[in-house]
Amino acid sequence: AQSVSQHNHHVILSEAASLELGCNYSYGGTVNLFWYVQYPGQHLQLLLKYFSGDPLVKGIKGFEAEFIKSKFSFNLRKPSVQWSDTAEYFCAVNTPNTDKLIFGTGTRLQVFP
Amino acid sequence: DAGVIQSPRHEVTEMGQEVTLRCKPISGHNSLFWYRQTMMRGLELLIYFNNNVPIDDSGMPEDRFSAKMPNASFSTLKIQPSEPRDSAVYFCASSYDRDQPQHFGDGTRLSIL
Repeated sequence: AQSVSQHNHHVILSEAASLELGCNYSYGGTVNLFWYVQYPGQHLQLLLKYFSGDPLVKGIKGFEAEFIKSKFSFNLRKPSVQWSDTAEYFCAVNTPNTDKLIFGTGTRLQVFP
Repeated sequence: DAGVIQSPRHEVTEMGQEVTLRCKPISGHNSLFWYRQTMMRGLELLIYFNNNVPIDDSGMPEDRFSAKMPNASFSTLKIQPSEPRDSAVYFCASSYDRDQPQHFGDGTRLSIL
C-alpha cells in the first residue's frame, strides 16, 4: 500500500531562515505529488503539484519542491520564510488515474518574527 | 467562483444524537471526498465518490457513519448515534477529474459532549 512519510513533525524557525520539509513516499510506479498548506483555522489549500516534466516545481508564495525519483522524495523548500508562513504543511501522493490522495501526517511550521 | 461549501461550520451536540454534515462540491467536479482531521490521527480519508457512486469507504470508522451523494451537487455524512470520540474537523473536498488537485471546503468543527 502507498504511504507518505513526513519526518519533521514540528519545525520552528525565525523569519528569513531557509526552510526544507521532508516528504518520502512508498510506491514504485508513476506518482502525482502534492503539497498542501493549512493556515490556522482554515482549510487545506494547494501549494504546488508535480505530475511530470521538470522535477523542480514552483508553487505559490515562493515555495518550491523537488521530485527526486531515486530517493522517492518530494521535499518542500523556501529560501526565506515569513511569519505568515506559519501553518501546517501536508505532502500527498496519488497514482495516475486514481482519485484517492494519500496524505502524510503533516508538519507544523512556526515562524517567529 | 464558489468553492466547496460545507455546513454547518460548527456543531455542538450531545452524545447519542444524530449528526448530519453537508457538502456542496464545486460545480463540474466529478469526485467528492470526506476527510476527518484530529490531532491524534491527522487527516484521514473516510470515503470518496466518483460520479455520485461510492468508490472507497474503507476509511469509514464503523457502521455509525454513513455517507450519501444523491446528486452531483450534494453529499451528506451522517453519524448516528454520535460519540465523544467523533469530535473532529470534517472536511469535504472535490476534484474535477482523476489526477487533478482536490479543493477543500472550510470544514465542520464537530464537538460531541
